Order: sequence, then C-alpha cells, then structure tokens
Amino acid sequence: EADIYQTPRYLVIGTGKKITLECSQTMGHDKMYWYQQDPGMELHLIHYSYGVNSTEKGDLSSESTVSRIRTEHFPLTLESARPSHTSQYLCASSEHKGRSTEAFFGQGTRLTVV
Amino acid sequence: AQSVTQLDSQVPVFEEAPVELRCNYSSSVSVYLFWYVQYPNQGLQLLLKYLSGSTLVESINGFEAEFNKSQTSFHLRKPSVHISDTAEYFCAVTSGTYKYIFGTGTRLKVLA
Repeated sequence: EADIYQTPRYLVIGTGKKITLECSQTMGHDKMYWYQQDPGMELHLIHYSYGVNSTEKGDLSSESTVSRIRTEHFPLTLESARPSHTSQYLCASSEHKGRSTEAFFGQGTRLTVV
Repeated sequence: AQSVTQLDSQVPVFEEAPVELRCNYSSSVSVYLFWYVQYPNQGLQLLLKYLSGSTLVESINGFEAEFNKSQTSFHLRKPSVHISDTAEYFCAVTSGTYKYIFGTGTRLKVLA
C-alpha cells in the first residue's frame, strides 16, 4: 500500500489567494512529481524533483512553484490563484531500486478557483 | 523523446465479456511500461508493469498485458470484465530519466 498523502483533498478558493498544496511520502523515495489533470484528460507533468534541493519544471508550463527541503515533503505553491488553475493536482513518488520502478500516487487535490 | 498513444478514449463493454485496451509507445531507448487504473476522485493505482523477462504480465485481479517490442505495443486485456472494473485506465512509460509519460487514458464502462 502506497504511503503518499496529499492535503487538502478538495479546495475551493477565491481568485488572487495564495495556496499551498501539501504532499508527503513516508517511503523514503528520492524522486517526486506533480501532475496536473483536467477532468477526463491526460496527466501533464508540471514539476519533478530527484532529491533534496533539486527541482525541475515539467513538460507543461505552470505558474506554480515547488520546493524540496526534506526528502519526504514536496509542496506546491500558487502565489495568486486564478480560475484557469482549476484542476486536479496529483503528487507521486518513485524509487527505482531493483524491480521497484513504478510511481506511487497520492489521492489528489481537486482545486477550484472562483 | 518518448510518447504514449491510447487510441480508444472510451470502451463500453457488457459484463462478463472480454476487453482489450490498446496502448502504443515510441522511444529510442529501452523503457519500462505500466498500466494504471483511476477510479473517480482518486489517484492512480498501479495495475501491472513490464520491466524485462516474460512479455506477458498479469495483475492479481485478472488483467494481463503483453509487451510486443516489434509493434511497440503494451495492450491490456481481461477475458471477463465486472461492473467494478469501470474506471479510467492509463498506460505509461519511463526510461532512465525516470520521468513518467502517460497516455490520454481510456474510459472503460462495463454495462450490466
């Protein structure tokens, strides 16, 4: 069973507010990812990290930022939320040791900006 | 660069009938292949994976997928589906970069 947690599960917030989506994993994985998924649509990688103090932008441009100060924690921040940021955000982690190559996903945060 | 194509956006099928969800990929390097399942308002759960060895891989709930290198495919099959299999299914690839590339997903709807 995957031990990766996202909070909050659902968030409705007004335009212009600053928000932070939390993601934590207890598996000691060095690699972590943020994906954005619109309803019924594919997943787009927006940020990834290969370890502490390592973050990279993904394939889909995003106005969000991330940090990786601790191995287990990979929060995503939006300085000023807009309706265009309404989406589901999925956090994942992976290890790549032996036959463990898959990504483990959290339950997701569904963000609605009004 | 890698890419994944899932040609079928929706697949309706009657309960107890067989189903195949198609996945094709492109890559210039060796890849690992995955199928994930997503239920409404949930994250993705790993269904099965291909790393190396036997080209036929199976999951604990009756799904199987076959890696075909010459056709660059990794189709998912189940001989008899249940109502509870209704979900979104995603095919994914990764290589040494450890970035996962996902297909657009296939919505499997099992009809009573």
